[in-house]
Amino acid sequence: AQKVTQAQTEISVVEKEDVTLDCVYETRDTTYYLFWYKQPPSGELVFLIRRNSFDEQNEISGRYSWNFQKSTSSFNFTITASQVVDSAVYFCALSEFFSGGYNKLIFGAGTRLAVHP
Amino acid sequence: NAGVTQTPKFRILKIGQSMTLQCAQDMNHNYMYWYRQDPGMGLKLIYYSVGAGITDKGEVPNGYNVSRSTTEDFPLRLELAAPSQTSVYFCASSLYQGRETQYFGPGTRLLVL
Repeated sequence: AQKVTQAQTEISVVEKEDVTLDCVYETRDTTYYLFWYKQPPSGELVFLIRRNSFDEQNEISGRYSWNFQKSTSSFNFTITASQVVDSAVYFCALSEFFSGGYNKLIFGAGTRLAVHP
Repeated sequence: NAGVTQTPKFRILKIGQSMTLQCAQDMNHNYMYWYRQDPGMGLKLIYYSVGAGITDKGEVPNGYNVSRSTTEDFPLRLELAAPSQTSVYFCASSLYQGRETQYFGPGTRLLVL
């Protein structure tokens, strides 16, 4: 069965520290998609990244980077030089893909990141 | 471009009351979804729709109903509100399913007392 585990419930860092949010997933399929969403204190869900199972290249976007390792079923998210505005709950999600039928988006429980000045 | 909009932002209901949570998207997306987020938890799928006139149950459909008469709108109906339905409700849409990114509305916070 699909499952997404974000073992870190809460992380607290001081501004300018680097922080890594862990995401471990379980799936039986060879084709699937992984996502990260950010939920700031205002409550909305903001899409950050999508990665398919055939693309193991790491991705960097500004201070954000993602490390996808199929061998360990992990899709970790690193924020470099964290800022107060990064304070939010971050969700990792998994979607399997197969023809026909509906593909659920399975969310992890989220990691609450608090960045202090 | 408004994206996904939801109304109301916040509502208090008494046990047994009914209400409809509104959701609309202007991206011409085929797929629409309703999720609920309980405190400290991830999102769970209530209902989804693959197009106008077609809906199906998600993981936690009990106590809810949906309809999809147009591509743009996907209202969620609570018939007899219960305290267990206190949650934040998110509507989302995507062009297709599975591999496509789901875009979320701002959420509706519902308190049932």
